[in-house]
Amino acid sequence: DIQLTQSPSFLSASVGDRVSITCRASQDISTYLAWYQQNPGKAPKLLIYAASTLQSGVPSRFSGSGSETEFTLAINSLQPEDVATYYCQQLNGYPLTFGGGTKVEIK
Amino acid sequence: QVRLQESGPGLVKPSQTLSLTCTVSGGSISGGNYYWSWIRQPPGKGLEWIGYIYYSESSYYNPSLKSRVTISVDTSKNQFSLKLSSVTAADTAIYYCARAWGTYCTNTRCRLEWFDPWGQGTLVTVSS
Repeated sequence: DIQLTQSPSFLSASVGDRVSITCRASQDISTYLAWYQQNPGKAPKLLIYAASTLQSGVPSRFSGSGSETEFTLAINSLQPEDVATYYCQQLNGYPLTFGGGTKVEIK
Repeated sequence: QVRLQESGPGLVKPSQTLSLTCTVSGGSISGGNYYWSWIRQPPGKGLEWIGYIYYSESSYYNPSLKSRVTISVDTSKNQFSLKLSSVTAADTAIYYCARAWGTYCTNTRCRLEWFDPWGQGTLVTVSS
């Protein structure tokens, strides 16, 4: 199975800060990577797919980059509604797998 | 706007079969490049993909669960379902259904690109 390692596992930042989350794959997955936001008590919501394509309706402060084994989700100007856990998912090989999550809080 | 809603028992006894249904509204489950999937999340933990089904009934499962999982589709009701047999406490989780976009397929499985939308999830507890 393809393992995804997210870092950090927890992040605390101030409103307006730029924050970055890294997702590392155990093997080359090209750009078959998606990012999801899970607000407390809610279902995951798609933010980005194909490593860098912003899903329709998602604020432009979210961006994704990377390829092969290293990927980044960035939030430019953190907002209070961005408090959530963020997961990466690889869709290059079966079984499809998710990273362990990064919990983002406001300082 | 497509919406998905899970339904089924919230409590299942050990060794029995967990059965859930996902009802799709606002769009047809048939046709197009959409694949219908189940994902689960143990309380306070991460996400695990269970499997997918296409309206034509072709399906693919996570090998770790394959021996216990069946996903089926009922196009007349715009629903798809999950059955997980011989459950234990380790199967206690929030179960989500989701729509996935797929592209090309090989003989056995299809390339999925993303999952959206997801249902709100339903907690299933395995306990006697």
